[in-house]
Formats: sequence, C-alpha cells, structure tokens
Amino acid sequence: QVQLVQSGAEVKKPGASVKVSCKAFGYTFTSYNISWVRQAPGQGLEWMGWISTYHGDRKYAQKFQGRVTMTTDTSTSTAHMELRSLRSDDKAMYYCARDGHTYGLDCWGQGTLVTVSS
Amino acid sequence: EIVLTQSPATLSLSPGERATLSCRASQSGSSYLTWYQQKPGQAPRLLIYDASNRATGIPARFSGSGSGTDFTLTISSLEPEDFAVYYCQQRSNWLLTFGGGTKVEIK
Repeated sequence: QVQLVQSGAEVKKPGASVKVSCKAFGYTFTSYNISWVRQAPGQGLEWMGWISTYHGDRKYAQKFQGRVTMTTDTSTSTAHMELRSLRSDDKAMYYCARDGHTYGLDCWGQGTLVTVSS
Repeated sequence: EIVLTQSPATLSLSPGERATLSCRASQSGSSYLTWYQQKPGQAPRLLIYDASNRATGIPARFSGSGSGTDFTLTISSLEPEDFAVYYCQQRSNWLLTFGGGTKVEIK
C-alpha cells in the first residue's frame, strides 16, 4: 500500500545540520510532489516547502529560505530535507507528505523527531 | 501570504452532537481548501480536499463547505474516535498555509 517511511529520531547541537529522509512505497514516486511539514511540541502544523519529484523544482516557505534544502533520489524513491544552523526552536516532529496538489497531502510519513540541545 | 484563522480554538461537545468548525482566510485565494484530522501521537490524516470532497475512506458524517474566504467542516454526529485536533490548509501561489487548529474535546 501507499506508504512513506521516514528516518529515525535525531539529536543535534545548536548550529549543526540535520538531514531527514522519506522513502516512498506503493506508488510511482515521480507522480507526486513531496511536501515537508513540521510540528513543534504542543503546537500546530507548519509547512516548510515542497519539491517536485519529477522536475526537481522546489518552493520553500519564506521562513526557511536559505536554511533548508529539499532533494530527491528517484533511483531509491526517497526524498530528503536538510535543515541547517539549527536552533533550540527547531525542535519538532518533521513530517513528509505525498502532495496531491488540489487533492491535499494524502499520505504522511510517521514523523521524525529532531531535538536540538547543547 | 494567506493567513488562515480557525475558530473556535476548542470545541467541547458530547458524542452524538454536531460539530461545526470554521476556517477563515485573510484573502480569497483558491478553493483548494483542505481539512486534516490529527490525534495525539499520530500524523495528520486527510479528511476533505477541494473544500467539499471527502478523501478515500472518510465517513459520510464528515462534510466540508464554503468558498472564497469562509469554509466550514461539519461532523454531523460525533463518534468517540472523532475527538481530535482539526486543521485547515490552503494552497495559493504554490505556497501552502495551515490554520492554527481546532481541538474537539469531550464535554
């Protein structure tokens, strides 16, 4: 069945970078974009950006411009999200989601908890 | 950038009651308004897309309506498993925005 499986939890120091992966199963990877969404503890959902798995085009939320890079590896049906210059307020659950455009984010990964602590 | 405001922040209801959740956009963008449900410790789940279309497997008690800047998610008769947080989301100019969420709790 359609499934997105994310990499495991990460603990990073302030100023470091983290790279989260998201592997797709059960559908043609290049037929859907991938969006990344994060959720700080006890807070709401925050969209970070999306990447076209077909063209490689990207669109990032202004808040993350210059600090985030989204990539894909079509040979392994995997999307990656790298966030640099981590701060304590980047502690959050990071989700990837299959982006069906007008059809919504219709399949979500299980989430990757990123903790930033000195 | 479109800002989505959800109200109320918390809705206290009993099983069997009707829930009406509001999502208001700061400007008229598109009808690509989507609703998600999130339970504690779980990833969000797609409920409604394009304002009024139920996603695959979503029960008929969930319905969406609205256009322009005002959208509504209605749960006709709350089941125990419906107590959760609900988020609206809109897509405009290739950007996505989420509302702050409405928590539906047991009264």
